[in-house]
Amino acid sequence: DIQMTQSPSSLSASVGDRVTITCRASQGFRNDLAWFQQKPGTAPNRLIYGASSLQSGVPSRFSASGSGTEFTLTISSLQPEDFATYYCLQYYSYPRTFGQGTKVEIK
Amino acid sequence: EVQLVESGGGLVQPEGSLRLSCVASGFTFSNYWMTWVRQAPGKGLEWVANIKGDGSETHYMDSVKGRFTISRDNAKTSLYLEMNSLRAEDTAVYHCAIGGGATDHWGQGTLVTVSS
Repeated sequence: DIQMTQSPSSLSASVGDRVTITCRASQGFRNDLAWFQQKPGTAPNRLIYGASSLQSGVPSRFSASGSGTEFTLTISSLQPEDFATYYCLQYYSYPRTFGQGTKVEIK
Repeated sequence: EVQLVESGGGLVQPEGSLRLSCVASGFTFSNYWMTWVRQAPGKGLEWVANIKGDGSETHYMDSVKGRFTISRDNAKTSLYLEMNSLRAEDTAVYHCAIGGGATDHWGQGTLVTVSS
């Protein structure tokens, strides 16, 4: 199984800050990685697929990159509605595996 | 509008059984892989199983193999998860989602509680 190690597990940031979340895979793959945002009590919402493709309707302040074993999600200027938990998901192999999540909190 | 509505969750005793359903609308159901993902209370997301559009291929996480069965009825645009020999660690909200990989469009989920 591919283990996805997400860091940090939580962070505190202010509106306007640049935020970067990293997922490291236990074995490499090209671009079969997605990022999700989840707010309390709601279903996850896909932000990114194919490691760097922005989901339609997602603000352009979200971007992502990576390949191999290291992938990153960047929020260029944090907005109030971005405070949430973020997860990466590898879909290169079975079983699919999620990172453990990064909770982005207000400083 | 794409909609996924799960049902069938509830309180069940250890070693009991439950069948979850997910009714889909707003897209051509039979063309898509479908996935079940669960989330234990206060915990992260965990991929459970998926099934190809025609039902010919399925995959499971190791801890549910032999206990859970994913299936679908394309005529009813419905996805199912038959869960047997339930354990306390299966307690979670179970979401269905469209796709076999980078799942898009998730339902709100149905809560399964395994407890005596």
